[in-house]
Amino acid sequence: EVQLVESGGGLVQPGRSLKLSCLASGFTFSNYGMNWIRQAPGKGLEWVASISSSSSYIYYADTVKGRFTISRDNAKNTLYLQMTSLRSEDTALYYCARGKSDYWGQGVMVTVSS
Amino acid sequence: DIQMTQSPASLSASLEEIVTITCQPSQGIGNYLSWYQQKLGKSPQLLIHSATSLADGVPSRFSGSRSGTQYSLKINRLQVEDTGIYYCLQISSTPYTFGAGTKLELK
Repeated sequence: EVQLVESGGGLVQPGRSLKLSCLASGFTFSNYGMNWIRQAPGKGLEWVASISSSSSYIYYADTVKGRFTISRDNAKNTLYLQMTSLRSEDTALYYCARGKSDYWGQGVMVTVSS
Repeated sequence: DIQMTQSPASLSASLEEIVTITCQPSQGIGNYLSWYQQKLGKSPQLLIHSATSLADGVPSRFSGSRSGTQYSLKINRLQVEDTGIYYCLQISSTPYTFGAGTKLELK
């Protein structure tokens, strides 16, 4: 069974940093590209970043480019999102999703507030 | 960036009714389109990938189609459990973009 479990969220002050993790199981993690997608409270879905299976290709939304870094450790079956210079508009539920976004985790909440 | 125009924004339909939701991209995306259902408090679930392919485990009353540059999700014989918000997603080119969503309720 494919499972994606996000962690690392919480309440953080504007300008600070936070690192999210997504632990994958039930499939060969190193064979799949991965994505981060977020959803602000009461809003729609927004793609954040994607990384290819070997980390050769990485893409970001303009809204996070230069502030967020997606990475992965295939030996640990884990996807990461390092978030810096956080803003109130980054407040959202952050999901990791596999490949063409066929499976999603349950999401982890990030709240940016003073 | 590719804009995805999804309609309608909300929809109220009766049990057993046929429901159609559409997405119109601002430029060509081939068949790189997926449809998702999101229930309240849950993660989105994949319904359709590659514009017309039913995802594993999804009831056959859901179907996807493409007519030119317009993409549609059709639900035959609407059931109670089909209520929720539906989103389209284009994965033709980054930034990947979602439609704004369609909130489907039972009449």
